[in-house]
Amino acid sequence: DAGVTQSPTHLIKTRGQHVTLRCSPISGHKSVSWYQQVLGQGPQFIFQYYEKEERGRGNFPDRFSARQFPNYSSELNVNALLLGDSALYLCASSSDRVGETQYFGPGTRLLVL
Amino acid sequence: GNSVTQMEGPVTLSEEAFLTINCTYTATGYPSLFWYVQYPGEGLQLLLKATKADDKGSNKGFEATYRKETTSFHLEKGSVQVSDSAVYFCALSTGGGNKLTFGTGTQLKVEL
Repeated sequence: DAGVTQSPTHLIKTRGQHVTLRCSPISGHKSVSWYQQVLGQGPQFIFQYYEKEERGRGNFPDRFSARQFPNYSSELNVNALLLGDSALYLCASSSDRVGETQYFGPGTRLLVL
Repeated sequence: GNSVTQMEGPVTLSEEAFLTINCTYTATGYPSLFWYVQYPGEGLQLLLKATKADDKGSNKGFEATYRKETTSFHLEKGSVQVSDSAVYFCALSTGGGNKLTFGTGTQLKVEL
């Protein structure tokens, strides 16, 4: 079975632009979470979506938004990009049971110039 | 709030040496605990997990025991290999949700 897939793998944007990152979960997984990993640090939780509804939000500004589609894939949108948004954006999927393991995709590396 | 503290790296070992990476946590409720590994240029892979006190997670020769009394989940391996060189992240989740709280990561370098 395919794992979590993310696109694109790399992206370069300039300050003020908008970006959309995409994620497809493992087949049968209904929950998708997004994390931001700045170089040299651990991932920080941004959002969790389950059955198209937001189930959790981390401490990120309103410039960050996301949505989940009926096929459980998800998009992360970031508006008005700042230099500090440069990071590896990771998507993780799970079947959303208590203590269930999350499986991570390879990430999208975003560079904001 | 929840937090995870890991020993700072990099940790440099010779092949076949014993590995310990310390991890302690602060959490509300009863967390599930995880170790993830990140190889250069890649995403995170689950290494092992434990969901209740005194559980031992193990995989690929790595082990970690959930110690509620010391709020710790130290990662150990008896004999490391060059291929174990990576960054290791300790993490927790609580409340049945999927929000993972990660430590800052510990880089392991294994030399011949």
